[in-house]
Amino acid sequence: EPEVTQTPSHQVTQMGQEVILRCVPISNHLYFYWYRQILGQKVEFLVSFYNNEISEKSEIFDDQFSVERPDGSNFTLKIRSTKLEDSAMYFCASRGTAFAGELFFGEGSRLTVL
Amino acid sequence: AQKVTQAQTEISVVEKEDVTLDCVYETRDTTYYLFWYKQPPSGELVFLIRRNSFDEQNEISGRYSWNFQKSTSSFNFTITASQVVDSAVYFCAPNYGGSQGNLIFGKGTKLSVKP
Repeated sequence: EPEVTQTPSHQVTQMGQEVILRCVPISNHLYFYWYRQILGQKVEFLVSFYNNEISEKSEIFDDQFSVERPDGSNFTLKIRSTKLEDSAMYFCASRGTAFAGELFFGEGSRLTVL
Repeated sequence: AQKVTQAQTEISVVEKEDVTLDCVYETRDTTYYLFWYKQPPSGELVFLIRRNSFDEQNEISGRYSWNFQKSTSSFNFTITASQVVDSAVYFCAPNYGGSQGNLIFGKGTKLSVKP
């Protein structure tokens, strides 16, 4: 069964360092998302991406965040200068249909900022 | 504001009990979709069901059933004869964004099923 894969599963970094989280969405999907979940809290939308551009972003997704689909298969989330409050589980998701099909989530990348 | 409320923070039941998880949403959109996701202790998000705003037919799938009431903006989820493996956090997640598919997650209800 096709699935969304994310790497790394866990990354520990120092405050101020750049981090790149990688995702491989399901191959024929067209819509891509990043969500995050701070430990014990709800899942929060960060950004959606379609047709090689951001289609929507939340207030959380400020200038230190960026997304890219560099090669037609990977979908990356970059945090330029990490802060302690960026520590969270980051979920990538993809969706294939044009009209509100379910999102398929990866298993998440846990980011710990020290 | 468009939002979703899961008033139950935690529920604890004994195995084989039935349990209903509540979800109330708020929107001015006429077309929207409603989802339930499950997050077991392992952390992944597992899709359970999708409903669109035009389909108020309730559904039963094995031990799971859903009750969508557009008049009260509720989309409740019931597990019949709960099992320990049902222990998880359950999220109600409307999609108000139409084709963009941006889900707004509720705060989740943590269900603990004890043997």
